[in-house]
Amino acid sequence: NAGVIQTPRHKVTGKGQEATLWCEPISGHSAVFWYRQTIVQGLEFLTYFRNQAPIDDSGMPKERFSAQMPNQSHSTLKIQSTQPQDSAVYLCASGTGGYEQYFGPGTRLTVL
Amino acid sequence: GDSVTQTEGLVTLTEGLPVMLNCTYQTIYSNPFLFWYVQHLNESPRLLLKSFTDNKRTEHQGFHATLHKSSSSFHLQKSSAQLSDSALYYCALSGSNNRIFFGDGTQLVVKP
Repeated sequence: NAGVIQTPRHKVTGKGQEATLWCEPISGHSAVFWYRQTIVQGLEFLTYFRNQAPIDDSGMPKERFSAQMPNQSHSTLKIQSTQPQDSAVYLCASGTGGYEQYFGPGTRLTVL
Repeated sequence: GDSVTQTEGLVTLTEGLPVMLNCTYQTIYSNPFLFWYVQHLNESPRLLLKSFTDNKRTEHQGFHATLHKSSSSFHLQKSSAQLSDSALYYCALSGSNNRIFFGDGTQLVVKP
């Protein structure tokens, strides 16, 4: 069991560019979660899929951020027109519904 | 709505002293799941403890916690702190729509 896989581990973009982050959940897990973590804001919930369907995106900034789960083996978080304030570690986690979540190693996004 | 409160942002103590990190929660559900996650520097959050049974102590890696529904609490304790316990600790609640709600985290610093 490789755990949750996130790629890339580090990404540097220029202001205004697009960033796509990938997550491969643990096989058999029905739920996938995206979080953003910064020193200032801590761990922020972004969005949640269950059985590939979007369940709760209440934490997603309404502009520029979108997430998809086209199949059970991967999810993507896309940030359009990245801004310096988007710089953070983006964490993906998978689990079996409302029970424990297993976090991936994260993608550190730096927007210059 | 569902929420988790961790009153201490930073706890500093000397090696060998007992640890207690506070966690209280709010939910409409009568059978919530409560979790403690630990995040060491440059790592992702990792599940430390979980419980859904009222008044039953749960233990792992020297830490323990007891869910008390009467006081909506799930405090984390350890009898003797070690230097390696220095980390960020998150209390979390499985609430509505099976989303997990995290507290703001408590940074534990153990000094020699």
